[in-house]
Amino acid sequence: KAGVTQTPRYLIKTRGQQVTLSCSPISGHRSVSWYQQTPGQGLQFLFEYFSETQRNKGNFPGRFSGRQFSNSRSEMNVSTLELGDSALYLCASSLLEPGLAGGLVETQYFGPGTRLLVL
Amino acid sequence: GNSVTQMEGPVTLSEEAFLTINCTYTATGYPSLFWYVQYPGEGLQLLLKATKADDKGSNKGFEATYRKETTSFHLEKGSVQVSDSAVYFCARQGDSNYQLIWGAGTKLIIKP
Repeated sequence: KAGVTQTPRYLIKTRGQQVTLSCSPISGHRSVSWYQQTPGQGLQFLFEYFSETQRNKGNFPGRFSGRQFSNSRSEMNVSTLELGDSALYLCASSLLEPGLAGGLVETQYFGPGTRLLVL
Repeated sequence: GNSVTQMEGPVTLSEEAFLTINCTYTATGYPSLFWYVQYPGEGLQLLLKATKADDKGSNKGFEATYRKETTSFHLEKGSVQVSDSAVYFCARQGDSNYQLIWGAGTKLIIKP
């Protein structure tokens, strides 16, 4: 199966602009999560979508939004970009599977990321 | 609370040395545990996982055992290579949802 793909891989924007990033999950995966990774803050969870609905949300301002389409592809949008939004944005798709202990396990598989630079 | 604590890096070793990266977690139950690796300029890759107590995950010479008594999931490798240089993340599955709770990551540097 093809892995998670993210487009574009690199992006340069200026302050005040908006940006849209795209993520195509592994075929059959219905959940997509987004993360922001910066050297100072590490890996921070943005939001998760499942079956076109936002299922979980991290602590980011409303400038960060997302959506998921019926084919499970997801987009995230950042409006009014700030210098601090420069980061690697990672997308992960996942599938719920039975675990050995009888519960359910959701394993996340990551894409290569989109590196955003805000000038 | 619910957290994952990893040993602080960077960890610097010589090639063929034995590696241990410590990871401990807090949880009310027995969540699934994961190790991910991030090579320079890339996204995260699943390295191994364990879904129940005493389970051992292994991949590419790396191993980690789910120890519920010590709430730990330490990553080990018997003989590291320069190509193992990367950042390693420990994570656990959330209690009320399936979102992962992440450690801060440990940078590993292997010198030839």
